[in-house]
Amino acid sequence: GQQLNQSPQSMFIQEGEDVSMNCTSSSIFNTWLWYKQDPGEGPVLLIALYKAGELTSNGRLTAQFGITRKDSFLNISASIPSDVGIYFCAGLSGEYGNKLVFGAGTILRVKS
Amino acid sequence: GAVVSQHPSRVICKSGTSVKIECRSLDFQATTMFWYRQFPKQSLMLMATSNEGSKATYEQGVEKDKFLINHASLTLSTLTVTSAHPEDSSFYICSARELGPSRSGNTIYFGEGSWLTVV
Repeated sequence: GQQLNQSPQSMFIQEGEDVSMNCTSSSIFNTWLWYKQDPGEGPVLLIALYKAGELTSNGRLTAQFGITRKDSFLNISASIPSDVGIYFCAGLSGEYGNKLVFGAGTILRVKS
Repeated sequence: GAVVSQHPSRVICKSGTSVKIECRSLDFQATTMFWYRQFPKQSLMLMATSNEGSKATYEQGVEKDKFLINHASLTLSTLTVTSAHPEDSSFYICSARELGPSRSGNTIYFGEGSWLTVV
């Protein structure tokens, strides 16, 4: 089962709007990863975060590793129709045997 | 980023037969690979951790005699669904851990997934 609380569960936004989603946990993680999954395909890595406080960008995407190491957020600026998909946060922690634990996902729909 | 490839992407098999799915890390060595199953509109469910040169570690509730995992080399892990039944029909995804250099951490990359349909 999942040990990460990801929110929101879904979003339906206007093209051009900014998007923000986040994940929280009661446990400390040493790595946070954000993935996007399109229907029928495997998750694609968007951003990897390795240090508390780290802020990393990948094009219109920005993600941060929370200073407490228990949370992370992903922002998408100026959304476009191809941003549609499911976004998963995932974390690595020695507490979970360094196996990836996932959030439940955020379904993003964009109105053009 | 690193590339993980799965094959086949889609397979249909008859009930009672076995089917093998391959997972390859194309441009890095992966001592650890993971196998997941995903149901529609749900997150990935970890089935087992595949360790190169040793036995796989299965998650609770996953039958190791039904889902055989072999990690024979640093770039290849296979999942064999034995005596498949219709309820085994699902989307199976592998991932591989790329060990980072000392100043960065591990990263996990996923394959494209394999659709299994048992008829």
